[in-house]
Amino acid sequence: EVQLVESGGGLVKPGGSLRLSCAASGFTFTSYSMNWVRQAPGKGLEWVSSISSSSSYIYYADSVRGRFTISRDTAKNSLYLQMNSLRADDTAVYYCARAVAGATVFDYWGQGGLVTVSS
Amino acid sequence: DIQMTQSPSTLSASVGDRVTITCRASQSISSWLAWYQQKPGKAPKLLISKASSLESGVPSRFSGSGSGTEFTLTISSLQPDDFATYYCQQYNSYFVTFGGGTKVEIK
Repeated sequence: EVQLVESGGGLVKPGGSLRLSCAASGFTFTSYSMNWVRQAPGKGLEWVSSISSSSSYIYYADSVRGRFTISRDTAKNSLYLQMNSLRADDTAVYYCARAVAGATVFDYWGQGGLVTVSS
Repeated sequence: DIQMTQSPSTLSASVGDRVTITCRASQSISSWLAWYQQKPGKAPKLLISKASSLESGVPSRFSGSGSGTEFTLTISSLQPDDFATYYCQQYNSYFVTFGGGTKVEIK
């Protein structure tokens, strides 16, 4: 069974940093691109970042480029999102999501982790 | 970036109704469109990819159509489990974008 379990969310002050983790199991982690998608309270979905299976290709939304860094550790079957210079509008539930082979379509999602940026 | 516009934003319907949600892209995306269902407090669930390809395990009352810039998601006979918010998503480029969502409510 495919499982994605996020951790690392919480409350952080504006300008602060936080690292989200996503532990993957039940599939061959090295074969899939992985992504972060977020959802602000009461709002829609926003794609944040993608990393290819080999980490060769990385993409960011304009809203986070230069502040967030996506990475993956194949030995630990884990995906990460390092978030720096956090702002109030980064407050959201952050989901890690697996992309289907060959397309940025998300077939499995984690349960989500809440990040709250507030003083 | 490609903008995705869904309509309506809210839809009130009864069990058994036929429901149609529209998604328009700001430029042609061929058939690179997916639909998701999200229930409160839960992660989204993939329903349809490549505009009309139903995911395994998704009931056949769901269907998708369209290409280019205009797409539709149809629920042929609304069931109690279908009351949720639906999102379209384009993946024509690496910078994927979602529509604003359509909330299907009980009438």
